Amino acid sequence: DTEVTQTPKHLVMGMTNKKSLKCEQHMGHRAMYWYKQKAKKPPELMFVYSYEKLSINESVPSRFSPECPNSSLLNLHLHALQPEDSALYLCASSQVRSYTDTQYFGPGTRLTVL
Amino acid sequence: QKEVEQNSGPLSVPEGAIASLNCTYSDRGSQSFFWYRQYSGKSPELIMFIYSNGDKEDGRFTAQLNKASQYVSLLIRDSQPSDSATYLCAGYIIQGAQKLVFGQGTRLTINP
Repeated sequence: DTEVTQTPKHLVMGMTNKKSLKCEQHMGHRAMYWYKQKAKKPPELMFVYSYEKLSINESVPSRFSPECPNSSLLNLHLHALQPEDSALYLCASSQVRSYTDTQYFGPGTRLTVL
Repeated sequence: QKEVEQNSGPLSVPEGAIASLNCTYSDRGSQSFFWYRQYSGKSPELIMFIYSNGDKEDGRFTAQLNKASQYVSLLIRDSQPSDSATYLCAGYIIQGAQKLVFGQGTRLTINP
C-alpha cells in the first residue's frame, strides 16, 4: 500500500483566515514533504521533514507553518495568505530521505485564496 | 541553466506508436532519476525510477540513463490514449540541500 492521504480536497479561504492542511501516511515512511504546484508548472519543494525534524525550508514565507506531530502526520498551517498562494498543495512521503527512495504523492489540496 | 530540463512539448504521437520523452540535467552528482505521470487536476504518479547507466524496462515503459551525456529518457511503446498526460522528469540532487528537482514537464497527447 503506497497511499498518502490529504484533507481537505478543496479549500477556499480569505486573506485573514487561518486554516490547516493535513497529510497522513501509514507506510512507516520517515521522510515527509510539502510541495506547491501552480498550473502548468512542476511541483516546487517547500518543506522536508526527516524523522519528524524539519530538514529543509525552501525560504517559504512565514505565513506557511509546517508541523510534524508524529511520524505519520504532517500539517501545513496557513495564515494571512495572499491570492498568489492559490495552488495545488501536495504532500509526499518516502521511506527515508535518500536518493534511492521514491517519493509517493498524495492527491493534493486545491487551495483558493480570495 | 536549470538543474533538470525537459522539452515542454506538446508532443503528439499516434496511437500504437512509440512516444519518446527526454530530459537533461546539469548536476553531474545526480544519482537517481524518476519519471512521474500527472493527469490534469491530479497528483504525480510514479512511472519509473532509474539509478544505473543503461536501460530499465517495465511493461510498455523503458527508462534510459546516460550519465556521461547527462541524459535521461522515457520510451512508451504501443502508446494508448490513456497515456495522454504530463510527464515529469525528476532528478535527485545530492549536492547542498539534497532534494528532488523536477523538470518543467512534457505534455503528451496520444491521438486515436
